[in-house]
Amino acid sequence: SYVLTQPPSVSVAPGKTARITCGGNNIGSKSVHWYQQKPGQAPVLVIHYDSDRPSGIPERFSGSNSGNTATLTISRVEAGDEADYYCQVWDNSSDRPAFGGGTKLTVL
Amino acid sequence: EVQLVESGGGLVQPGGSLRLSCVASGFTFSSHWMSWVRQAPGKGLEWVANIKQDGSEKYYVDSVKGRFTISRDDAKNSLYLQMNSLRVEDTALYYCAREGGVRGVSWFDPWGQGTLVTVSS
Repeated sequence: SYVLTQPPSVSVAPGKTARITCGGNNIGSKSVHWYQQKPGQAPVLVIHYDSDRPSGIPERFSGSNSGNTATLTISRVEAGDEADYYCQVWDNSSDRPAFGGGTKLTVL
Repeated sequence: EVQLVESGGGLVQPGGSLRLSCVASGFTFSSHWMSWVRQAPGKGLEWVANIKQDGSEKYYVDSVKGRFTISRDDAKNSLYLQMNSLRVEDTALYYCAREGGVRGVSWFDPWGQGTLVTVSS
């Protein structure tokens, strides 16, 4: 199965830029999607197709994907961005979706 | 408003059964692949199963194959998950989610609020 590796935690001060990585073998050849999950809430799609934002998602959220690493970037971080973030791809070998382990974003 | 509402969770003993339901509204349910995704307490997301628009294709994570069955009733805008031979490790919050995009690159949006399944003696 396809393994996606995320750092367990990332910390950032308000107003700064947070970068959350998602590592996988040649992940640049796949489409990566990102979800935000706030405590006690269901996940919300924040980025699909590597860098596309669904309607209603602030422009502060952006994504990139190349080589063995995909990155979710959150600019001008706010306290309300504190959440768990998950990356997801389609594992072509198993023909199943795969999720990363999640990254807890802490706003200092 | 696009909405998914799950129900049917509860406390069940190991070896028992449970049937989860998910009612969709605000979109053409019959046009979409649908999935179940679960989250064990304090853990990450795990995809469980999905079903094609016409119900002709169904896929499962290996750990539930032969025990869980996904189905749908487009006339009722409803998705189901029949869970048999439940194990302690099936304890999780179960989310219903609509798939977007093309199969092979699809994502999940939106998600329901989840229904909690607890397997314990």
